[in-house]
Amino acid sequence: AQSVTQLDSQVPVFEEAPVELRCNYSSSVSVYLFWYVQYPNQGLQLLLKYLSGSTLVKGINGFEAEFNKSQTSFHLRKPSVHISDTAEYFCAVSDTGGFKTIFGAGTRLFVKA
Amino acid sequence: NAGVMQNPRHLVRRRGQEARLRCSPMKGHSHVYWYRQLPEEGLKFMVYLQKENIIDESGMPKERFSAEFPKEGPSILRIQQVVRGDSAAYFCASSKTGTEAYEQYFGPGTRLTVT
Repeated sequence: AQSVTQLDSQVPVFEEAPVELRCNYSSSVSVYLFWYVQYPNQGLQLLLKYLSGSTLVKGINGFEAEFNKSQTSFHLRKPSVHISDTAEYFCAVSDTGGFKTIFGAGTRLFVKA
Repeated sequence: NAGVMQNPRHLVRRRGQEARLRCSPMKGHSHVYWYRQLPEEGLKFMVYLQKENIIDESGMPKERFSAEFPKEGPSILRIQQVVRGDSAAYFCASSKTGTEAYEQYFGPGTRLTVT
């Protein structure tokens, strides 16, 4: 069975500063990895995904994530955040043979002026 | 191309009533997933359906909850005899079949409040 741990429940950061949201997963099989963003009272929007190939994945809104198999991590980064990036971010994992996606508990990113 | 549609967006039910949540997948998508999000928590998988088939319902409570995805019409998540603990946001997602089945597109959710 897979599981996802998001190490920070809240991350406050000043506008234009860099940010990293941490995600670790556990799985005994090959996985696909995802980051989603949820704005207040809305559904989830896919930011980026790792399926195979290059371990550095670029997504929308200037976000990127790096898959590290040895550390079973998939941390999300952005070099310079905006106020509009304030939202909840979810890391998720699914095995390559199935369809069930397991989500982390989420990290709330607060961007302050 | 319309996204995943869910209705109603907000639903208020009294304890003991039934709640019906509807989900229309994106055009061309044949897989539907239901998730529940409790306050301050992540999404929990409930059920995965294809047309007229339940593929995986390992996340569904054993009683009072059921889901269907008929040949025609939206997918329905039904909660009978609701209790206060059922208050949550329920999200539907859809995906294509085959090699793109892993990529899920989410609807805006239905926020259920049980009074």
